[in-house]
Amino acid sequence: DQQVKQNSPSLSVQEGRISILNCDYTNSMFDYFLWYKKYPAEGPTFLISISSIKDKNEDGRFTVFLNKSAKHLSLHIVPSQPGDSAVYFCAALGDTGNQFYFGTGTSLTVIP
Amino acid sequence: GAGVSQSPRYKVAKRGQDVALRCDPISGHVSLFWYQQALGQGPEFLTYFQNEAQLDKSGLPSDRFFAERPEGSVSTLKIQRTQQEDSAVYLCASSLNRGLSEQYFGPGTRLTVT
Repeated sequence: DQQVKQNSPSLSVQEGRISILNCDYTNSMFDYFLWYKKYPAEGPTFLISISSIKDKNEDGRFTVFLNKSAKHLSLHIVPSQPGDSAVYFCAALGDTGNQFYFGTGTSLTVIP
Repeated sequence: GAGVSQSPRYKVAKRGQDVALRCDPISGHVSLFWYQQALGQGPEFLTYFQNEAQLDKSGLPSDRFFAERPEGSVSTLKIQRTQQEDSAVYLCASSLNRGLSEQYFGPGTRLTVT
């Protein structure tokens, strides 16, 4: 049973516009969330994280928003650049503090 | 290089063969994780080590899967009597501490069982 869901398998955005990637989770005990970016033939690389005590975390062009009541988080990339084209995974830290639960990924294409 | 490395990068095994996948974490990283990523899916947790201790192996899909990290650095994931459903990318990640610490992933080993 998928505890972290990314319902959009793909997204295309014009360069310079905002990219919004969404993620939903089912377990209300999750309290730490991360976004990873993955290029083909490489492992995922950490992008940004957020703890449940916050509802927003910003790092340069990347902002993550957390809505705990809706069990929803989103990653905003603005302005989007062609180099942002990759698969983006959201992940949540489980109750034990050992396991990260990943979504199925959203493939972002930024069109020049 | 300072990153996580994995070998081999690609492995083709005949059904029933045993395979061993190696992970070299970042030096000094306490935690090491193995994940299995099937095609079109996100990484799924297999097992977790803190130094040489395997603290969580709840994600290992069967007793054909075995992982070790005897000296608290290099880790090996062994799959015995491989089956076609074992075909996936196996990712290793390490982190400086446990839990909330950022995980650094290796490039993965793509295993194909024919």
